[in-house]
Amino acid sequence: SQTIHQWPATLVQPVGSPLSLECTVEGTSNPNLYWYRQAAGRGLQLLFYSVGIGQISSEVPQNLSASRPQDRQFILSSKKLLLSDSGFYLCAWRRSNTGELFFGEGSRLTVL
Amino acid sequence: QKEVEQNSGPLSVPEGAIASLNCTYSDRVSQSFFWYRQYSGKSPELIMSIYSNGDKEDGRFTAQLNKASQYVSLLIRDSQPSDSATYLCAVNIWNQGGKLIFGQGTELSVKP
Repeated sequence: SQTIHQWPATLVQPVGSPLSLECTVEGTSNPNLYWYRQAAGRGLQLLFYSVGIGQISSEVPQNLSASRPQDRQFILSSKKLLLSDSGFYLCAWRRSNTGELFFGEGSRLTVL
Repeated sequence: QKEVEQNSGPLSVPEGAIASLNCTYSDRVSQSFFWYRQYSGKSPELIMSIYSNGDKEDGRFTAQLNKASQYVSLLIRDSQPSDSATYLCAVNIWNQGGKLIFGQGTELSVKP
């Protein structure tokens, strides 16, 4: 069966510090991968998606970036965090024959 | 008009009642529709997928789709306090490369 993991689960970072969130998927090959952000009390905003290694599409212009160095690894990064980057970051993989998305446990980021 | 709209709630129902959650979408070409449940502080969990007009039942959950009216709903029968959560509607938007767009979510509270 397929599993998806994210880490770290929680982090508190000062403004201007770098960020790296990691996501790995097991049990499937060449999945479409997604990064969403959920601000407090808000819906899910799609940030990035990837259809393969090195292939990244950005949905929202911002100071975040994503990379996919391996087939089942997806990384979200920032060189300098802003207060507005605080939120709940969710990685997801897509089942190709149904279009269903399955989410990891999430990473809660607080920028102070 | 937002691509996917839901009433934010909170929707409060007594234990044992039917909870009705509604969602409208703007893209007439959308083909895939999903309901997710999100407990406070947790990641969204897929509970129902529906692809054709009509009803789809899974246990106490029934999803209803009306593509002509661009409307999808979720009924929860015999509501339990454990159903208290935020329910997210998601729609596959074909004119945006098939990405999954989420509504803001409806908060459901089931009172014992």
